[in-house]
Amino acid sequence: GESVGLHLPTLSVQEGDNSIINCAYSNSASDYFIWYKQESGKGPQFIIDIRSNMDKRQGQRVTVLLNKTVKHLSLQIAATQPGDSAVYFCAEQTGYGNKLVFGAGTILRVKS
Amino acid sequence: EPEVTQTPSHQVTQMGQEVILRCVPISNHLYFYWYRQILGQKVEFLVSFYNNEISEKSEIFDDQFSVERPDGSNFTLKIRSTKLEDSAMYFCASSARAGGLNEQYFGPGTRLTVT
Repeated sequence: GESVGLHLPTLSVQEGDNSIINCAYSNSASDYFIWYKQESGKGPQFIIDIRSNMDKRQGQRVTVLLNKTVKHLSLQIAATQPGDSAVYFCAEQTGYGNKLVFGAGTILRVKS
Repeated sequence: EPEVTQTPSHQVTQMGQEVILRCVPISNHLYFYWYRQILGQKVEFLVSFYNNEISEKSEIFDDQFSVERPDGSNFTLKIRSTKLEDSAMYFCASSARAGGLNEQYFGPGTRLTVT
């Protein structure tokens, strides 16, 4: 499956609990940040994004927090569900360039 | 909902052979991308393409790689002479515009295995 060969940090949470996934980004000039979800055998799926002039953005059950001082990004998932089990990647983009630079990823496992 | 599609889902090839990976981006998108993900590693940018030319490429995208938009719908990645280390998942993505807050939509990927 997807996890074979992966040596990523793993977050295990109980169904219904809140999850917080963290990411440290590298480029202080990056001005656009995105969280992607990748399920087994699928491509990255957009979850939520945020521009550098914001420190918080909320979506449906998800919140992204940006701390530019320490170059840290977090994804909060409320009331985590089994369907949230996946690998989560943060990605950054600079200026008007199109290239996304992805972080290493975190495996989220939801226990029922 | 419109989606990016990729073919084949899995390609097995021998070292030194040429492969072409195919993608159909979302129809009204203008920017196209290839990324790859070696098993157990993060997703890496290869190349971006706009207005029938490469707009940016990474160090990975050397002379063995090329991209083409042969018609109004397909976007292809060619690897001329595959190496073992080219084995990876290759993802195509597209976006309506460039820059921030212009979501890149990813396809399901092609798993390339070089033997």
